[in-house]
Amino acid sequence: GEDVEQSLFLSVREGDSSVINCTYTDSSSTYLYWYKQEPGAGLQLLTYIFSNMDMKQDQRLTVLLNKKDKHLSLRIADTQTGDSAIYFCAPCSARQLTFGSGTQLTVLP
Amino acid sequence: DAGVIQSPRHEVTEMGQEVTLRCKPISGHNSLFWYRQTMMRGLELLIYFNNNVPIDDSGMPEDRFSAKMPNASFSTLKIQPSEPRDSAVYFCASRLNYEQYFGPGTRLTVT
Repeated sequence: GEDVEQSLFLSVREGDSSVINCTYTDSSSTYLYWYKQEPGAGLQLLTYIFSNMDMKQDQRLTVLLNKKDKHLSLRIADTQTGDSAIYFCAPCSARQLTFGSGTQLTVLP
Repeated sequence: DAGVIQSPRHEVTEMGQEVTLRCKPISGHNSLFWYRQTMMRGLELLIYFNNNVPIDDSGMPEDRFSAKMPNASFSTLKIQPSEPRDSAVYFCASRLNYEQYFGPGTRLTVT
């Protein structure tokens, strides 16, 4: 099955850029998602990228995909305190998402 | 649209009792998923339905767990009998094409 790895923690200063990284093992993943989870809440779909793309930009979010290295990243520009949350990478293969452990992003004032 | 609706939001029950979790997917979505989230195991897919038909239930932990989707607008996840190790947050999600949305979850505590 698919293995998805993420760093557990990331701290950044307010206004800086955040980069959250993810590696996965299943090369047949057709599209790859990023979700955000705030305490006590469900998972919020942030963005997704198709496997035939290298980059996708959506306002402050930039997703980069290196399919050869099976590496996905999420960059958040001008990080705000409201961005503090857990971010999950989730590649999709055979219609099923496999979630990483999540990266806890802490934004420091 | 109200999004994916789950009930109850919190459930506390005693070991051995039956628990039923409910989900209303987003109207028009043709796939529905049940997940379980714990600190130890993270997010696990339990079962998913496509057009109300169960497609993959390999994630269902054991026979104590069962799920149904009698129509396109309703699904249940039942645990009978419940055990303390079933304590977790259970999420329902629905999907149309490439967009999968999660409900707020049901926090289940089995004492």
